[in-house]
Amino acid sequence: NAGVMQNPRHLVRRRGQEARLRCSPMKGHSHVYWYRQLPEEGLKFMVYLQKENIIDESGMPKERFSAEFPKEGPSILRIQQVVRGDSAAYFCASSPTQIYEQYFGPGTRLTVT
Amino acid sequence: TQLLEQSPQFLSIQEGENLTVYCNSSSVFSSLQWYRQEPGEGPVLLVTVVTGGEVKKLKRLTFQFGDARKDSSLHITAAQPGDTGLYLCARTASKLTFGTGTRLQVTL
Repeated sequence: NAGVMQNPRHLVRRRGQEARLRCSPMKGHSHVYWYRQLPEEGLKFMVYLQKENIIDESGMPKERFSAEFPKEGPSILRIQQVVRGDSAAYFCASSPTQIYEQYFGPGTRLTVT
Repeated sequence: TQLLEQSPQFLSIQEGENLTVYCNSSSVFSSLQWYRQEPGEGPVLLVTVVTGGEVKKLKRLTFQFGDARKDSSLHITAAQPGDTGLYLCARTASKLTFGTGTRLQVTL
């Protein structure tokens, strides 16, 4: 049973470009969570989605960031007009139900130059 | 914001030594999890504790949940280089709230 998959593993973008991060949850998991890990701030919750619905986006920056989890296909975290401060590791986790046992992917390391 | 403070922030020990790391909160946990994260990877769940005073063992790792469910500790016996990593506690809910982390380095 494959684990949570994220791609790309590493992504380099210039300031002002768009970044798209993809997450395929574990088979049978319909709940997806995105977290961001900044060097000085630790691992922070961003958004929680269930198929086609955003359940909790309290950790998402108000501008430039969006997330979706369509009926078919992976969950996408989209960052528009990236800035250097967006450089971080972005982790996706999935769970089969709205409980606390979340399984993490290997992360996407975004570098903004 | 419910802060989770972990201590120590960094710990460097030699193989074979014992160590304890701590996770503290000003508020009660409904339940708490411990994760280990290795460089370049995502966090991996080690244990979930739910009941005040609960003790769980995972090989050389012993996890304790405080009686008041406001704190937890992780004790490693006879540390090995493979224990090296970032240890995170997390308050469990629909979203996880992570602690500040303890970065452990075990050298030969």
